[in-house]
Amino acid sequence: QKEVEQNSGPLSVPEGAIASLNCTYSDRGSQSFFWYRQYSGKSPELIMSIYSNGDKEDGRFTAQLNKASQYVSLLIRDSQPSDSATYLCAVEMDSSYKLIFGSGTRLLVRP
Amino acid sequence: ETGVTQSPTHLIKTRGQQVTLRCSSQSGHNTVSWYQQALGQGPQFIFQYYREEENGRGNFPPRFSGLQFPNYSSELNVNALELDDSALYLCASSLGQAKNIQYFGAGTRLSVL
Repeated sequence: QKEVEQNSGPLSVPEGAIASLNCTYSDRGSQSFFWYRQYSGKSPELIMSIYSNGDKEDGRFTAQLNKASQYVSLLIRDSQPSDSATYLCAVEMDSSYKLIFGSGTRLLVRP
Repeated sequence: ETGVTQSPTHLIKTRGQQVTLRCSSQSGHNTVSWYQQALGQGPQFIFQYYREEENGRGNFPPRFSGLQFPNYSSELNVNALELDDSALYLCASSLGQAKNIQYFGAGTRLSVL
């Protein structure tokens, strides 16, 4: 079983819609969670971090964490074509500063 | 721009050769982590350096080694290159108090023929 799992997609949404990206993880002791955006041929860019159960909002982005269900998600409101990218979920394992990444979900926002 | 710079951008090597990749961390960041990203996969943790000492290692063989210098820049060395080493190698820097908040450089694309 992979430690961090994401649906590879592509997830296709129309411009202006809400995109919902999901991630599950295996280590129940994980405390820190991150979302990165990666455009094709580029390096990952940190979007959000979340440490506590519940929602954390930053502009059009909302990260949601449910440690009991070992589930973290990213909502993108008012999706724009420029949001089309691969979104990587990363989990810090064992407070070790080692980030374990999922394989990413490819998001396509249709104009 | 994260302020993390990597060199070279691209590199082509043949099987069995050795390679050195370089990373300059963001100003003030004393921690550097290296990742390998194969095509279509997420980055995989290789190792992390904090104040010139290795501070954790992933599931990579000993032919992957590293260094961190007093100015916090870092090198990744790979000996006896194999075809499967072809990947994007990413360096990420962070500040000691928040080692898990990592900012990536643009990466080095390594092709092993």
